[in-house]
Amino acid sequence: AQKITQTQPGMFVQEKEAVTLDCTYDTSDPSYGLFWYKQPSSGEMIFLIYQGSYDQQNATEGRYSLNFQKARKSANLVISASQLGDSAMYFCAMREVNFGNEKLTFGTGTRLTIIP
Amino acid sequence: ETGVTQTPRHLVMGMTNKKSLKCEQHLGHNAMYWYKQSAKKPLELMFVYNFKEQTENNSVPSRFSPECPNSSHLFLHLHTLQPEDSALYLCASSQGSRDNEQFFGPGTRLTVL
Repeated sequence: AQKITQTQPGMFVQEKEAVTLDCTYDTSDPSYGLFWYKQPSSGEMIFLIYQGSYDQQNATEGRYSLNFQKARKSANLVISASQLGDSAMYFCAMREVNFGNEKLTFGTGTRLTIIP
Repeated sequence: ETGVTQTPRHLVMGMTNKKSLKCEQHLGHNAMYWYKQSAKKPLELMFVYNFKEQTENNSVPSRFSPECPNSSHLFLHLHTLQPEDSALYLCASSQGSRDNEQFFGPGTRLTVL
């Protein structure tokens, strides 16, 4: 079974609208971390936002917020007031630690295109 | 230089060549990683180093050989590669604790002919 599932291979959104990118995860570890990264066409992975499994509140960073629903094992990224520069690939990732070794597992990504 | 740098940015090599990818982090982190990103596939973790010691080898073929001489530098030595090894190779670093994000370099786009 996939550890990280992103069901939307591509999305088109009108500029200034809000967009939700879906991410579900699978783990039996009670302690884990969830990340969202943005990858523009230049290739570099840019960290956006982090949510710890024990965090009581949803994480927010500027226009980015994470809709964390622990019971449903989902960690959707919400981008408010989308901009043309938001067009990129977006990856959800989960960090687990096994025997002291940390591992970051990525989903297949969602290609977001913002339409002017 | 700041952040995580990778050289070269692009590399084309034949299957009989030997080449090396270099990664350098200027963030004072203690953990470094190599990832492979192939088209239409999730990022695959290849190697993890903590305090210069290799702590994870994710079943990577021996034609890929990592080297971590110190906490700031990470190399990936390549030899007798196959065309299916063509991909974007990303280096990352982190402080090594659960809550800290990994910072990625710009990657090396490798093409094996």
